[in-house]
Amino acid sequence: NAGVTQTPKFQVLKTGQSMTLQCAQDMNHNSMYWYRQDPGMGLRLIYYSASEGTTDKGEVPNGYNVSRLNKREFSLRLESAAPSQTSVYFCASSERGNPWSGSPLHFGNGTRLTVT
Amino acid sequence: GQQLNQSPQSMFIQEGEDVSMNCTSSSIFNTWLWYKQDPGEGPVLLIALYKAGELTSNGRLTAQFGITRKDSFLNISASIPSDVGIYFCAGQGETSGSRLTFGEGTQLTVNP
Repeated sequence: NAGVTQTPKFQVLKTGQSMTLQCAQDMNHNSMYWYRQDPGMGLRLIYYSASEGTTDKGEVPNGYNVSRLNKREFSLRLESAAPSQTSVYFCASSERGNPWSGSPLHFGNGTRLTVT
Repeated sequence: GQQLNQSPQSMFIQEGEDVSMNCTSSSIFNTWLWYKQDPGEGPVLLIALYKAGELTSNGRLTAQFGITRKDSFLNISASIPSDVGIYFCAGQGETSGSRLTFGEGTQLTVNP
């Protein structure tokens, strides 16, 4: 039982390049999330998907797009990477449909992205 | 929006010592979650609290949901080297649609 799997683990991009971060969960969870983690700033929500077929913006959505491909998979796309997007990106999932119900999040191991 | 203050930012302790950290919010929360993040990995849930005054243990870890519903505490007893990592609190407010907000983390270092 892998839980939440993210790929790739590391990535270096040049400014302006695009890429997609992949995330898959095998816990049959309804909700999925993308967070970024920066030093001294905790975890900030980029986008979330309360259930299959829906996506919504979080705190810091600018420069990102997401796709909830099916119940298992939720991808994050950077169309034109900028140095300010250098960060560690975490995908998470939770059981309940309402992401604000206090249902605990289960995190992947992160993607470390550097934009030069 | 909701704000969470987590303290201390970092702690350096000797193996065997007890540790205490806390989070306070600017508004009332319905849920408090405590996570631990090991280097190079994602946060892992330690304890979830859903009622004011609730005290829950997980091995050597004990967390409490404050009576005022604006704070939470995490205690680690008899620390060991593998307790090293970053501890995060997260809370969710009582109003409909309020976000799960994360604290900035407490970096714990345990010297053997």
